[in-house]
Amino acid sequence: GAVVSQHPSWVICKSGTSVKIECRSLDFQATTMFWYRQFPKQSLMLMATSNEGSKATYEQGVEKDKFLINHASLTLSTLTVTSAHPEDSSFYICSARSGAGGHEQYFGPGTRLTVT
Amino acid sequence: GEDVEQSLFLSVREGDSSVINCTYTDSSSTYLYWYKQEPGAGLQLLTYIFSNMDMKQDQRLTVLLNKKDKHLSLRIADTQTGDSAIYFCAEKDQAGTALIFGKGTTLSVSS
Repeated sequence: GAVVSQHPSWVICKSGTSVKIECRSLDFQATTMFWYRQFPKQSLMLMATSNEGSKATYEQGVEKDKFLINHASLTLSTLTVTSAHPEDSSFYICSARSGAGGHEQYFGPGTRLTVT
Repeated sequence: GEDVEQSLFLSVREGDSSVINCTYTDSSSTYLYWYKQEPGAGLQLLTYIFSNMDMKQDQRLTVLLNKKDKHLSLRIADTQTGDSAIYFCAEKDQAGTALIFGKGTTLSVSS
């Protein structure tokens, strides 16, 4: 089946620093990748939709200058949390959709970010 | 706007059937999905149903769709302790790209 990986699986960083999270589709090409954020015991909130080779589309209320998304290839999208603050601590999950007309989204295992 | 609602908790005994219910608002949804999330992990696609179907069965999983009432359910037969997890119902957004998730139903299976 389709596999999506994320790296790192967890990260602790100091307030004010930047953190990059990678999302890779391992066995398929993903023209579209999605970034979600999940708070404890909450649902997933879509942050942005990323299409390969073009700018990401951010959901209302998500600061694009704070959450930088790059989708430079058909198998890799990155999310950079810039100048992280403790309120950015969360579980970040990416998903990928095949470019071959598939409708299913396959999710990565998530990245736990803790900002101290 | 688009919204997906689920009950938050379900507790069953091992071997019983579990039924997780979901309601959605966007009648134009083409696909509806069920995902499973185990503690500290990402989401696993369990199954999905196309909007022109009433029922889909896949081994122990049965999905029922009532388009008129915008109601979706997931039945897990012979529930096992390994089925304990959070189950999310999701529909496609109006643009047909991203997914709108419910808050998730925590299924607890006791032996």
